[in-house]
Amino acid sequence: KQEVTQIPAALSVPEGENLVLNCSFTDSAIYNLQWFRQDPGKGLTSLLLIQSSQREQTSGRLNASLDKSSGRSTLYIAASQPGDSATYLCAVEGGAQKLVFGQGTRLTINP
Amino acid sequence: DTGVSQDPRHKITKRGQNVTFRCDPISEHNRLYWYRQTLGQGPEFLTYFQNEAQLEKSRLLSDRFSAERPKGSFSTLEIQRTEQGDSAMYLCASHRLISGNTIYFGEGSWLTVV
Repeated sequence: KQEVTQIPAALSVPEGENLVLNCSFTDSAIYNLQWFRQDPGKGLTSLLLIQSSQREQTSGRLNASLDKSSGRSTLYIAASQPGDSATYLCAVEGGAQKLVFGQGTRLTINP
Repeated sequence: DTGVSQDPRHKITKRGQNVTFRCDPISEHNRLYWYRQTLGQGPEFLTYFQNEAQLEKSRLLSDRFSAERPKGSFSTLEIQRTEQGDSAMYLCASHRLISGNTIYFGEGSWLTVV
């Protein structure tokens, strides 16, 4: 059974810092890995999707990497802003777009 | 695309009552998913449809839960004889098979069972 773990559970940093969120998964047989953002009480917004054959994806200040063999992914956020405050969720797909999510990292950027 | 729409956004119900949630996916999205999310946890897969066919149900989906997608468009998720443990956010998502792997989530339906 696939298990996804995110570390840390919560993170608070001052504005402007670069930061890294970590995600690990137990079964390397995945189709892709996605990072989502969730604001309090809201749905999920897809940030980045990395296919299993890819090593990384970039979108603006966000960069996600994937090391399938070691079961790890990182989300790098450059020059953090207060508007980046949210919960970030990592999810792996094992087929049919069924996603297995981690518990999330609750990020707070302090002005 | 108008996005995935869910209704109601919030529902408070007494234990033992039945509740129904509706999801309208993005037009022409042939796959529709239901997830459940409790406070402080990531979403958990419940079930999914391809067009009107329900292709898989999680073991989380007890016999009190039923989902339908009668015409391959909107979907309903009904919970019968609600229990306090059913309190959660129920998320709907949709996906179009031929347009890549991006999945779109709705805003969710919050259920509180008192």
